Amino acid sequence: QKEVEQNSGPLSVPEGAIASLNCTYSDRVSQSFFWYRQYSGKSPELIMSIYSNGDKEDGRFTAQLNKASQYVSLLIRDSQPSDSATYLCAVNPVGGSGTYKYIFGTGTRLKVLA
Amino acid sequence: EAQVTQNPRYLITVTGKKLTVTCSQNMNHEYMSWYRQDPGLGLRQIYYSMNVEVTDKGDVPEGYKVSRKEKRNFPLILESPSPNQTSLYFCASSLSGGGSPLHFGNGTRLTVT
Repeated sequence: QKEVEQNSGPLSVPEGAIASLNCTYSDRVSQSFFWYRQYSGKSPELIMSIYSNGDKEDGRFTAQLNKASQYVSLLIRDSQPSDSATYLCAVNPVGGSGTYKYIFGTGTRLKVLA
Repeated sequence: EAQVTQNPRYLITVTGKKLTVTCSQNMNHEYMSWYRQDPGLGLRQIYYSMNVEVTDKGDVPEGYKVSRKEKRNFPLILESPSPNQTSLYFCASSLSGGGSPLHFGNGTRLTVT
């Protein structure tokens, strides 16, 4: 089982719709979770961080975390063509000797159709 | 402006010719890391550093070296590059490594022929 799993997509949604992106992770001790957006050939940009169970909203973006189910999701409301990108889920478990790693899923490609 | 700066952006080299990709951050971050990104495989961690003189292997360290002599710099060294190291490389940093998000550089596209 991969440590962080995402559906590769593409996920196609019409402009103005809600896009729902999902991520599951295997490490139960993970406490920090991040969503990044990456345009083709560019570097990942941070969209949201989430640390506790429940929802966290920032503008059109809502991150949802359920640690019991080891599941984190990202909702994008009123999707725009400019939201078309690959969305990366990242998990930040504590490694041995108190070290930290950031483990990324392979990303979900989102296409917003005008 | 707070940023992570990588150089060069593009690099074409031949097998066996040593190269260094530089990475510098101006945010006084403790944690720095190198990733490579390949189609279908996502971002994979090569090496990371929790602080000056403290480095550790990530998931794909073979064929790479790093050093952290100063807090702001974290160069990636390929002593004898091979074609399977052709990839898009990202340097990233975070405030502490635990609980703080990574900030990425603009990437270095490396081609080894």
